[in-house]
Amino acid sequence: LAKTTQPISMDSYEGQEVNITCSHNNIATNDYITWYQQFPSQGPRFIIQGYKTKVTNEVASLFIPADRKSSTLSLPRVSLSDTAVYYCLVAEGAGTALIFGKGTTLSVSS
Amino acid sequence: DAGVIQSPRHEVTEMGQEVTLRCKPISGHDYLFWYRQTMMQGLELLVYFNNKAVMDDSGMPKDRFSAKMPNASFSTLKIQPSEPRDSAVYFCASSSRVHEQFFGPGTRLTVL
Repeated sequence: LAKTTQPISMDSYEGQEVNITCSHNNIATNDYITWYQQFPSQGPRFIIQGYKTKVTNEVASLFIPADRKSSTLSLPRVSLSDTAVYYCLVAEGAGTALIFGKGTTLSVSS
Repeated sequence: DAGVIQSPRHEVTEMGQEVTLRCKPISGHDYLFWYRQTMMQGLELLVYFNNKAVMDDSGMPKDRFSAKMPNASFSTLKIQPSEPRDSAVYFCASSSRVHEQFFGPGTRLTVL
């Protein structure tokens, strides 16, 4: 399983765009990149997944460069409710479990 | 759909007692996962099933933990005997695709 490295914490203000970068230098050809969000006292929630280039949904965008050794989760115009822990995970296509690291604690202030 | 259902939501027990945690996955999901979360260790995968069969239980202390999935709509995680170090939040998750897992609300277990 590819190891991921992401910042322990980040701070932001409401209305700003937040970019959380994750490095996964030994990502394998069949690996997908997945991001989860966890609020206090709740289970993690799937945000977005990608393999290469850019993926966008109603919540976030995921940017993956050509070498796939890193990825960036972009949250547009964050609000106080985006304060949470964000996990970057890398795993094979099917049948392989996800390994959660420590994640990035995002704190959004007014 | 009601989402993943876990019971009980809170459990307080004494060391040495048997504890059984229950999970009802989302209908139609083939995968079911049991995780444990603590401040020190973070979120750890204990065991996961695919079509009711155990795929990986390498994260589960087998001397005291056991997990079963007797049918597609029900799973249990049992701890016997329980120890204070088992105190944690236990999450059950289900999915039809491994990467997009849907987590339940968790069971907060306290072993005194």
